[in-house]
Amino acid sequence: DGGITQSPKYLFRKEGQNVTLSCEQNLNHDAMYWYRQDPGQGLRLIYYSQIVNDFQKGDIAEGYSVSREKKESFPLTVTSAQKNPTAFYLCASTYADTQYFGPGTRLTVL
Amino acid sequence: RKEVEQDPGPFNVPEGATVAFNCTYSNSASQSFFWYRQDCRKEPKLLMSVYSSGNEDGRFTAQLNRASQYISLLIRDSKLSDSATYLCVVNRDSNYQLIWGAGTKLIIKP
Repeated sequence: DGGITQSPKYLFRKEGQNVTLSCEQNLNHDAMYWYRQDPGQGLRLIYYSQIVNDFQKGDIAEGYSVSREKKESFPLTVTSAQKNPTAFYLCASTYADTQYFGPGTRLTVL
Repeated sequence: RKEVEQDPGPFNVPEGATVAFNCTYSNSASQSFFWYRQDCRKEPKLLMSVYSSGNEDGRFTAQLNRASQYISLLIRDSKLSDSATYLCVVNRDSNYQLIWGAGTKLIIKP
């Protein structure tokens, strides 16, 4: 089955720790995205990548980092510099104007 | 002013009724418009794209009003399974960047 997988589904971390969220797709899509969703708010773009080895900051990139070494993979690292990291993180890829999402990772900072 | 604005609701509607909600956008240069559906604690999924001439998909009708910069979604003969949050999405300066509304929550009651 083609799709986007994200792991883990739930993640807990202590303040001051970096954590990496996984995103893998086997849809052969070039463009991939990371969004953050907070209660009562729309999805906000963190980073996006249109092609391997290239990525651009979105609206809220501070405190996050990404890499795109392979077409299939677009991991997101939440660093200790992110002041309020507790949120629902969604990874997506795009084909023909449609965004396809993974199931998301819920990150909670303790 | 937010780039994409939606009434958060909730809209409480009896089963079988017709319900409509709007979304306004601020960027007059936007060219792509979408409605996504998001179930509680799940990822968003494309419901329908919105075309200039308006379009229909079964019980769902989407309209675009460029002069007033809003899009609308009409749901006829509503079903219990229509209960969800409906997200309005508009492209920014390219289709690589989408702006997401905070969503309108719809609750269909038996």
